[in-house]
Amino acid sequence: SQQGEEDPQALSIQEGENATMNCSYKTSINNLQWYRQNSGRGLVHLILIRSNEREKHSGRLRVTLDTSKKSSSLLITASRAADTASYFCATDAFVIVGNTPLVFGKGTRLSVIA
Amino acid sequence: DAMVIQNPRYQVTQFGKPVTLSCSQTLNHNVMYWYQQKSSQAPKLLFHYYDKDFNNEADTPDNFQSRRPNTSFCFLDIRSPGLGDAAMYLCATFRGGEWGTDTQYFGPGTRLTVL
Repeated sequence: SQQGEEDPQALSIQEGENATMNCSYKTSINNLQWYRQNSGRGLVHLILIRSNEREKHSGRLRVTLDTSKKSSSLLITASRAADTASYFCATDAFVIVGNTPLVFGKGTRLSVIA
Repeated sequence: DAMVIQNPRYQVTQFGKPVTLSCSQTLNHNVMYWYQQKSSQAPKLLFHYYDKDFNNEADTPDNFQSRRPNTSFCFLDIRSPGLGDAAMYLCATFRGGEWGTDTQYFGPGTRLTVL
């Protein structure tokens, strides 16, 4: 199946440090998205990067996409304790017709220690 | 303003007692999805509607059904909940038609507990 795989599964850093999470996927995609989820809460969309884009910024977030390697990275700069959450990458397959539900990776659990 | 609303946020049911979870959207999106997310796992797609067309994932148990009476509302019915059905259930919407340029919008989820 086309599933994103996040790496690492868990990451613990000090407040102020940068956090980098990686995601790999298996098949061609339309876009790749990153979501955040606080424990026991719903998913919050962070950023979407299209298959023809290589890098995108949003505030303290920086996302890169390498379609040749089928991988993406999410960088959170100057992390804060409030960034503590699980982060998921999600992809939708490239199809000509029909709709494309997201396929989620297993997530990276980020802990930012104050 | 909330765009995808799920009710209730927390639902407790008994083993085998039917339960219905509700999702509504103010976005007028064509597509509505239901995901199941068990503790510490990724969300798993159960099924989705594109307008009135229902699309079931191959491994979704028959115990799970869905209804979409109109564009705004979609329901998840669990006919006979088992202990293994305890999870967070996420509803999401998608505008449709602009593949590759849009995102799914998620509701806050309903946490189901089965006693």
